[in-house]
Amino acid sequence: ETGVTQSPTHLIKTRGQQVTLRCSSQSGHNTVSWYQQALGQGPQFIFQYYREEENGRGNFPPRFSGLQFPNYSSELNVNALELDDSALYLCASSLLAEETQYFGPGTRLLVL
Amino acid sequence: GQSLEQPSEVTAVEGAIVQINCTYQTSGFYGLSWYQQHDGGAPTFLSYNALDGLEETGRFSSFLSRSDSYGYLLLQELQMKDSASYFCAVNQGGKLIFGQGTELSVKP
Repeated sequence: ETGVTQSPTHLIKTRGQQVTLRCSSQSGHNTVSWYQQALGQGPQFIFQYYREEENGRGNFPPRFSGLQFPNYSSELNVNALELDDSALYLCASSLLAEETQYFGPGTRLLVL
Repeated sequence: GQSLEQPSEVTAVEGAIVQINCTYQTSGFYGLSWYQQHDGGAPTFLSYNALDGLEETGRFSSFLSRSDSYGYLLLQELQMKDSASYFCAVNQGGKLIFGQGTELSVKP
């Protein structure tokens, strides 16, 4: 267990809806990264937050947005959901300069 | 573009040794990480190489050659519980770029 928690564990939405996923980072970590993992694929980097500012973004459209709070917890928001957004969403916490990212259990999102 | 190549599947027997190779082509490189993921679970950190050479952590070892853009994960004394997916990932200053994963099946 890494100490990184995510909620909810599972979620079902319909196309066009909006969703918010939450992540609490491991104690002492100030950086949160979000990844999308489609079935049978490796995780893909969405974005990273450091001290409440976005600190790098992957190849995802603007309808994927995020926030980091003063306690370093984070939210991932996805607007106008599409069927292809169905995936496991993982957050990982770390110290910015540290190699090791510690992953949470993920939120499995199904878009119908 | 950025790419990481690793075998999609590997099968081995209990007690054996297996090596999972990873070659990468990325625009930035701080180091190579390895993660294990059981079905439906979170990726778990196994090992990290920033410099050339071998890193050993118990039954798992990882190797990196930066000049060859190549690394491998070596698993010794395989156990049934080692059946999982294994991912190499390039660290680009905190951002991880993952390979597609290697599914390891350990047979009795």
